[in-house]
Amino acid sequence: DTGVSQDPRHKITKRGQNVTFRCDPISEHNRLYWYRQTLGQGPEFLTYFQNEAQLEKSRLLSDRFSAERPKGSFSTLEIQRTEQGDSAMYLCASSPDLGRYEQYFGPGTRLTVT
Amino acid sequence: AQTVTQSQPEMSVQEAETVTLSCTYDTSESDYYLFWYKQPPSRQMILVIRQEAYKQQNATENRFSVNFQKAAKSFSLKISDSQLGDAAMYFCAYTNAGNNRKLIWGLGTSLAVNP
Repeated sequence: DTGVSQDPRHKITKRGQNVTFRCDPISEHNRLYWYRQTLGQGPEFLTYFQNEAQLEKSRLLSDRFSAERPKGSFSTLEIQRTEQGDSAMYLCASSPDLGRYEQYFGPGTRLTVT
Repeated sequence: AQTVTQSQPEMSVQEAETVTLSCTYDTSESDYYLFWYKQPPSRQMILVIRQEAYKQQNATENRFSVNFQKAAKSFSLKISDSQLGDAAMYFCAYTNAGNNRKLIWGLGTSLAVNP
């Protein structure tokens, strides 16, 4: 068990560019979550997958955001036409279907939009 | 809608002393779970302790314990024998026992440990 990994750890991009982040959950964890955390705030829920199915999306997730989890393994989060307000830490977490409801987090991807 | 409130933006404690971090929440659900997570300066979120709402007994994990008051919707974290490595942001989080299990978070408490 190597834990949840995220790539890249840091991303600097210019406004208007597209970016894609990757999350590899703990193997055999069926549930995968994306959260966004801005400085001085708690994380905010963005979206949730159970296996390959995206079952819920927050209203925070505008149409510039898209997430996938092909084959129920790793997940990608893409932001198109980035805006300065997208600058944040993007956290990924995974959780088993059966268990005690806690989520295990990756180190996050820090996005800076200039 | 469920909410989580942490009213202490910053706290400090002397090494080896005890500190209590406060958390209150609001929900109409009867079946839910509460967590304390720690986020050190490296920023990886680490689970500290969990509490099931249906359990009356307060959870304990080594130097960390909670005071869960269901009727008052209060869930405080006590850290005993504080260590320098306890310095971090501490977040209180809630999830219901429903299908999505998404976490709802407080704003966090920054804990400083003074040597």
